[in-house]
Amino acid sequence: AQSVSQHNHHVILSEAASLELGCNYSYGGTVNLFWYVQYPGQHLQLLLKYFSGDPLVKGIKGFEAEFIKSKFSFNLRKPSVQWSDTAEYFCAVNEGTGGFKTIFGAGTRLFVKA
Amino acid sequence: DAGVIQSPRHEVTEMGQEVTLRCKPISGHNSLFWYRQTMMRGLELLIYFNNNVPIDDSGMPEDRFSAKMPNASFSTLKIQPSEPRDSAVYFCASSPSGRNTDTQYFGPGTRLTVL
Repeated sequence: AQSVSQHNHHVILSEAASLELGCNYSYGGTVNLFWYVQYPGQHLQLLLKYFSGDPLVKGIKGFEAEFIKSKFSFNLRKPSVQWSDTAEYFCAVNEGTGGFKTIFGAGTRLFVKA
Repeated sequence: DAGVIQSPRHEVTEMGQEVTLRCKPISGHNSLFWYRQTMMRGLELLIYFNNNVPIDDSGMPEDRFSAKMPNASFSTLKIQPSEPRDSAVYFCASSPSGRNTDTQYFGPGTRLTVL
């Protein structure tokens, strides 16, 4: 069965620090990969997704993620975080061959100190 | 567009009572998902529908849980009887075309507390 592992449950950074949140998945076939974010008091929303093409994907608010197939990883990065990036971040994966079942990681809570 | 609408936003009930959660997907979307979020288990898919038909309900925890989608604009998740371990946030999400590359659009969630 597929699984998604997010390495850090809680991350605390100061503003302007660089961010990298780890995500690994277990499925060996073709996958679609997503990062969703939940800001305090708001809905889960998509940050970015990858399903084909350039493995470096750019999303909203300056976020990017790189798909490394050999490492089964899809890490999220941002060069300089802001206080407004305080949120919970979820990595998610589904099978590229048509599986609808999207598996979410446990989430990483990011707190950015002003 | 109003986005995905869920009701109620908060529900407090006693063990043994029936609970019904409601969802209105984004107009024109033809896939709908129900998720449950808990501290222990994270975000779990319970069931998804495509064109109002349940495609995969393998995530439904047990027979106490049931979900329906009588039409394209409405779905319910029912728990009968409810138990304290059902306490969680329940999210509904919809997606446009049923392709698994689609973005899922989430509702605000229903926070359920079973005493």
